[in-house]
Amino acid sequence: NAGVTQTPKFRVLKTGQSMTLLCAQDMNHEYMYWYRQDPGMGLRLIHYSVGEGTTAKGEVPDGYNVSRLKKQNFLLGLESAAPSQTSVYFCASSWGPPAVTQYFGPGTRLTVL
Amino acid sequence: DQQVKQNSPSLSVQEGRISILNCDYTNSMFDYFLWYKKYPAEGPTFLISISSIKDKNEDGRFTVFLNKSAKHLSLHIVPSQPGDSAVYFCAAEIQGAQKLVFGQGTRLTINP
Repeated sequence: NAGVTQTPKFRVLKTGQSMTLLCAQDMNHEYMYWYRQDPGMGLRLIHYSVGEGTTAKGEVPDGYNVSRLKKQNFLLGLESAAPSQTSVYFCASSWGPPAVTQYFGPGTRLTVL
Repeated sequence: DQQVKQNSPSLSVQEGRISILNCDYTNSMFDYFLWYKKYPAEGPTFLISISSIKDKNEDGRFTVFLNKSAKHLSLHIVPSQPGDSAVYFCAAEIQGAQKLVFGQGTRLTINP
């Protein structure tokens, strides 16, 4: 089992460029999440999904879009990157109710110049 | 509005001694609490959790204590080992919400 994988590991963008981060899990988890981690801010939830074909906004959704076309994949898109989106992005997944434990991927370090 | 707070950004402990990491929360609707450990360049990994119906949960060297009246939880690591050096996040969930709220993290350094 690979668990939760993220692609790419690193990326540098220029302001205004777009990109998609891919998250894949092989644990048949229903729920998937995208977080960003910034210094002194902990992990903040961007968007999440409670099942294939569903998405919902988290704490900091502005500037991001997501899609969950397949149960095992959760995509995070930046349509027009801004320097404020420079961060480390983590994907996570979980079984769903009643289990709450989330399993995280290794992260994607994104720099927007 | 930080609902889960870890007020100590860093903590340094001597190897073999006890490490105590603290976490405070403000939302009385939280009913499940977790601790995650994170090494550099890796994702957080689940360490230990506790339900609000309990006040203590133990797993090997790790024990989590919950004081609901004070809205405070703590993670005790005994004895501390060099491999415990990492950033520790506490997280909380409101029943049924399936979303976790994380604290800012505490960087624990274990000195030989």
